[in-house]
Amino acid sequence: GAVVSQHPSWVICKSGTSVKIECRSLDFQATTMFWYRQFPKQSLMLMATSNEGSKATYEQGVEKDKFLINHASLTLSTLTVTSAHPEDSSFYICSAPHWDSTGELFFGEGSRLTVL
Amino acid sequence: AQSVSQHNHHVILSEAASLELGCNYSYGGTVNLFWYVQYPGQHLQLLLKYFSGDPLVKGIKGFEAEFIKSKFSFNLRKPSVQWSDTAEYFCAVISGGYNKLIFGAGTRLAVHP
Repeated sequence: GAVVSQHPSWVICKSGTSVKIECRSLDFQATTMFWYRQFPKQSLMLMATSNEGSKATYEQGVEKDKFLINHASLTLSTLTVTSAHPEDSSFYICSAPHWDSTGELFFGEGSRLTVL
Repeated sequence: AQSVSQHNHHVILSEAASLELGCNYSYGGTVNLFWYVQYPGQHLQLLLKYFSGDPLVKGIKGFEAEFIKSKFSFNLRKPSVQWSDTAEYFCAVISGGYNKLIFGAGTRLAVHP
């Protein structure tokens, strides 16, 4: 199947700093990517939809100035957690739809953020 | 807004027992339905999906799911579980009007040898 890659897979940062997470579709183009957040032992919550060449669409309750999303190309979307705080510690997962004849969303490996 | 409900949060079974995990969704229009599995320490993997056609869908590793439109349900089944099926299972829905994959809360399955 198609491959979506995230980097870094694990990051630790100090409170108040910003962290950037990259999501790449390695073998297909993705005009849309989705960013999810997963707290321990909980489900994935959709944060925002990243659109190539336009602004991201944020879900209700997600601070767009806190979680900056940029979809710079057809294979790359980035999520920047600005002025991170310990409550931002979570597992962030991106996914990209590869709408072939059967249709499927492919997920990255996830990025675990720990804010000290 | 669309939503997905998984009724069983934590299921414990012995090997060879049968499994059924419930999933209900709220959207009344056209939907695409998915079951994903997340093994400990790994990322999400697609088990099976339903887009149209036969409402009984067969997936990988012996799993199947049945789409019952009248009940807004897409329950996951496996006749005989194995210890290696220990994982968390997520039901997910994309509705025609939203184009977003929304997940249920997940069901944590533990299979004892």
